[in-house]
Amino acid sequence: ETGVTQTPRHLVMGMTNKKSLKCEQHLGHNAMYWYKQSAKKPLELMFVYSLEERVENNSVPSRFSPECPNSSHLFLHLHTLQPEDSALYLCASSQDYRSSYEQYFGPGTRLTVT
Amino acid sequence: AQSVAQPEDQVNVAEGNPLTVKCTYSVSGNPYLFWYVQYPNRGLQFLLKYITGDNLVKGSYGFEAEFNKSQTSFHLKKPSALVSDSALYFCALDTGTASKLTFGTGTRLQVTL
Repeated sequence: ETGVTQTPRHLVMGMTNKKSLKCEQHLGHNAMYWYKQSAKKPLELMFVYSLEERVENNSVPSRFSPECPNSSHLFLHLHTLQPEDSALYLCASSQDYRSSYEQYFGPGTRLTVT
Repeated sequence: AQSVAQPEDQVNVAEGNPLTVKCTYSVSGNPYLFWYVQYPNRGLQFLLKYITGDNLVKGSYGFEAEFNKSQTSFHLKKPSALVSDSALYFCALDTGTASKLTFGTGTRLQVTL
């Protein structure tokens, strides 16, 4: 295990639902990330947090709303999603966001939007 | 803009044979290069990275990669493949100013008996 956990592992939601993805890291890292992984496409960086402050927001639709209450926890709140949002959502952490420390990934949440 | 290319969607190797997974990159500054592996139903796992120094980098599970600045490549290699190496491999690029990795599309490695 990498020290990064994600819940739930699988989620099916309708387009009008509201749900949240949770990520927790047990590594003492300062930076946390959300990625979207779709088939046949490179990983897409969605958000970056450093010490609970958002430092990167890659033009992600407002139907995705991140929250970082402390340096160990990261949430992704979802509402009024579209079918094309179905993907594997990966959380990662690293020691620092400003240097090229390797990132440690959680197992992901497989999201299906119906 | 920076980019990473993994020209092969899939690489097939017999167990015991050497393997190579190719990666080329494009960046204006000095590259920081990474390899990650993803097993089924799992997140990505870090294998190795090149930041500076020796062009040959050794990583986890017997993998190594060679940084070649003139060819802008960072190919992943292993002298003797195992069936358990079968997975999806990602090359990634960072410029070191901020941890904003650019990933390739991935190469599926299939090792057969």
